Formats: sequence, structure tokens, C-alpha cells
Amino acid sequence: DVKVTQSSRYLVKRTGEKVFLECVQDMDHENMFWYRQDPGLGLRLIYFSYDVKMKEKGDIPEGYSVSREKKERFSLILESASTNQTSMYLCASNLAGPNYNEQFFGPGTRLTVL
Amino acid sequence: AQKITQTQPGMFVQEKEAVTLDCTYDTSDQSYGLFWYKQPSSGEMIFLIYQGSYDEQNATEGRYSLNFQKARKSANLVISASQLGDSAMYFCAMREVYNQGGKLIFGQGTELSVKP
Repeated sequence: DVKVTQSSRYLVKRTGEKVFLECVQDMDHENMFWYRQDPGLGLRLIYFSYDVKMKEKGDIPEGYSVSREKKERFSLILESASTNQTSMYLCASNLAGPNYNEQFFGPGTRLTVL
Repeated sequence: AQKITQTQPGMFVQEKEAVTLDCTYDTSDQSYGLFWYKQPSSGEMIFLIYQGSYDEQNATEGRYSLNFQKARKSANLVISASQLGDSAMYFCAMREVYNQGGKLIFGQGTELSVKP
């Protein structure tokens, strides 16, 4: 059974803290993605990676960075958390190749920055 | 630029009735794929159905079907015989075939409530 896991379901941090969100997939997928979800805005792509050590900016990369040292793990880093980064963060992965390859999602991390 | 539009922020449907969730898209690419995902209140995203731009027949998966009208650039989701468990957020998404890494562009979502 395919699985994408995220390190925390709920997280509360303070403004200015460095925050790490971890995502692990066990499907040997090449592609991994980080989205943020806000009401009325749907899911917006922050960063994605199509190979180890490769990363590409998505639509809203400002204030975020990522790391992919191993194929199965993709980390999202908030260097200095701010209140406007309070959101739901979703990690996803899929196989490289044909466009019918669905993305598999993790359960999400609801981050609150105080 | 690619864009997905879902114009119905919220919808209600009576249990056992059919419901259509609207999705329109904009792309200059000829080759693309369209996806629908369901997100229950628990938060996980569940893949429902896929339609390729060159597929001649509308996709179906159980009670879900995709009404694909290419000329109108619409990809509406039809849920037949609604059940209480269908209450959730529904997202339409698109992938252009040649975009690097298989990125998806998502719509704003439609919240469906099924009434008993």
C-alpha cells in the first residue's frame, strides 16, 4: 500500500523560529512536492523536486526552502516563521513519466505560528 | 498561463441525488491531464478520477464520472447517488504533459455537503 507520511499532524511555533516539516514516501517516487492550502485559495505549490538534490521553485517559494538528500525524504524549511505562514502544508509524490500518474498525498501538517 | 477555476465555493445535495461540480481550465498546451481529488474533514487528499486531453471517452470510476468538454475547456465532476460520506472538499487539478516534475495546478475547491 502506497504511503506518504508527514512528521506532524499539528504544530505550533513562535514567530522567528526555524521550522522543519518532514515528508517521507515509501513508493520509490522520483517526484516530490510541497503545497500549502488556504481557504478559498486551494493548494498552491511551494517547491518541488524531481530528483535527489534537485529542487525547483513553485508558485509561492518566498520564505521557504527545501532539502532532498535522499530519494524518499523531502523537507520543507521555514527559516524564520511568520504568522502569515500559518496554514495547512501538504506533501505529495508521484512517479516521473506519463501525465496520468496521480500524486499521492500525505495527511497534512496544520502549522500555527504565534 | 495555466489556470483552474472552480466557481462553486459550496454546494448542497440531497442524499441519493446526483450532483455536478464545475471545473474550467485554461491552457495553451494540447496535451494535458485533468484530475479530481476529494478531501474529507480529516485532511487527506484522495484521488478520484483522471481524464487525458486525448481521451475520447469521458472517464468513469464507480459513482464518479468526468464530463469532459474540450472545446469549452471544462471538466465537471458528476457524482451519482450521493452518500453522506461524499461530504468533503473537492479539488480539480491539471497537469500539462511536458511540465517538469509533473506539477499540478489546483482550483480553489468546492465544499460539498450531502443532506440526509
